[in-house]
Amino acid sequence: SAVISQKPSRDICQRGTSLTIQCQVDSQVTMMFWYRQQPGQSLTLIATANQGSEATYESGFVIDKFPISRPNLTFSTLTVSNMSPEDSSIYLCSVDRPSQGAYNEQFFGPGTRLTVL
Amino acid sequence: AQKITQTQPGMFVQEKEAVTLDCTYDTSDQSYGLFWYKQPSSGEMIFLIYQGSYDEQNATEGRYSLNFQKARKSANLVISASQLGDSAMYFCAMRERRSYNTDKLIFGTGTRLQVFP
Repeated sequence: SAVISQKPSRDICQRGTSLTIQCQVDSQVTMMFWYRQQPGQSLTLIATANQGSEATYESGFVIDKFPISRPNLTFSTLTVSNMSPEDSSIYLCSVDRPSQGAYNEQFFGPGTRLTVL
Repeated sequence: AQKITQTQPGMFVQEKEAVTLDCTYDTSDQSYGLFWYKQPSSGEMIFLIYQGSYDEQNATEGRYSLNFQKARKSANLVISASQLGDSAMYFCAMRERRSYNTDKLIFGTGTRLQVFP
């Protein structure tokens, strides 16, 4: 399995500010994914980040609100901009790992628990 | 559109007993992957088991097994010999292939499992 670390592990922020979350992987990966999990809810994909290209955002998520960087094959950042209390969530990054089956297995980082006041 | 349904918001099981967590899915694709994840209160997502749609045998990983019934579009997780540490949220997910290298995981709403002594 992949070893994925995220920073910060949790934060409490004031509305209107921005927070950048870092995701570091122990080996090179092509795609990195960013998910949001609102309180008591399931996970929703925000965007897919490939190294050297613009991130691909899912419906309902825009680059101005969630800018993503992917400077190399082991690192990515997600920024939550101009935060409001509705942005309070767990943010998780994940990566693919090839499996013996037809579909890659996807592993997740430990998550960043964000509270916006 | 693909969809994952978990109809059990919560389940209780006594330690050392087996428990089945239900998952049904809807897809028109012939090729897909099904996954189960465990999320403890810490928030991390732990990969448990994977089943490919063309796999003839049910997947097993230690105490976890997947009861895959393709005709019924169900992929239930069976946990044998439950332990107190199994208490967590469990998410069923399906891999949606949209184009090369841009797969997406779709998650169900989750089942909260509580193991009691």
